[in-house]
Amino acid sequence: AQKITQTQPGMFVQEKEAVTLDCTYDTSDPSYGLFWYKQPSSGEMIFLIYQGSYDQQNATEGRYSLNFQKARKSANLVISASQLGDSAMYFCAMRENYGQNFVFGPGTRLSVLP
Amino acid sequence: DAGVTQSPTHLIKTRGQQVTLRCSPKSGHDTVSWYQQALGQGPQFIFQYYEEEERQRGNFPDRFSGHQFPNYSSELNVNALLLGDSALYLCASSLGLVGEKLFFGSGTQLSVL
Repeated sequence: AQKITQTQPGMFVQEKEAVTLDCTYDTSDPSYGLFWYKQPSSGEMIFLIYQGSYDQQNATEGRYSLNFQKARKSANLVISASQLGDSAMYFCAMRENYGQNFVFGPGTRLSVLP
Repeated sequence: DAGVTQSPTHLIKTRGQQVTLRCSPKSGHDTVSWYQQALGQGPQFIFQYYEEEERQRGNFPDRFSGHQFPNYSSELNVNALLLGDSALYLCASSLGLVGEKLFFGSGTQLSVL
């Protein structure tokens, strides 16, 4: 069964507007971590934001925030004030119960329009 | 502060050959993981090395093997290459076995003809 689902293969957003990238996950472990990574065309995966399963507050990192809804098992990424440089692939990932491997979703390609 | 570095950047091999990819972790990191990213997909975990031992392995055949050196750098070896091994191979480093986040290199693009 797929553990990370990203239902939006591609998204478009106008520069300076906000955009939400969806991610749902599946786990039976009570302790897990959720991550978002950005992958520009250069190939490098860039860490954006982290949310622990026991964290009470939604994570924020600058223009990035994570809308964590535990009961729905969703961890959507919100990017505020989009910039042209935000155009890239975005991957949601999960680490279960202090496991040593990350499971990645299929990704969403975000295109920011001028 | 040097990030994760991988070499070579690109590689072209033919079926049946063997290949070695190299990775130097971010300064201060002691754990290296390898991921395979096929075109249009998310990365898939191959294995992780810590204290020069393979600690966990994903669903990859024994043709995929690795090594970690005392300076924490790592190699990924793939034997008897198949066309399906064509992918971007990403190395990631972290501090300790349960590092909060992974730092990735830019990857090695392997093409098998």
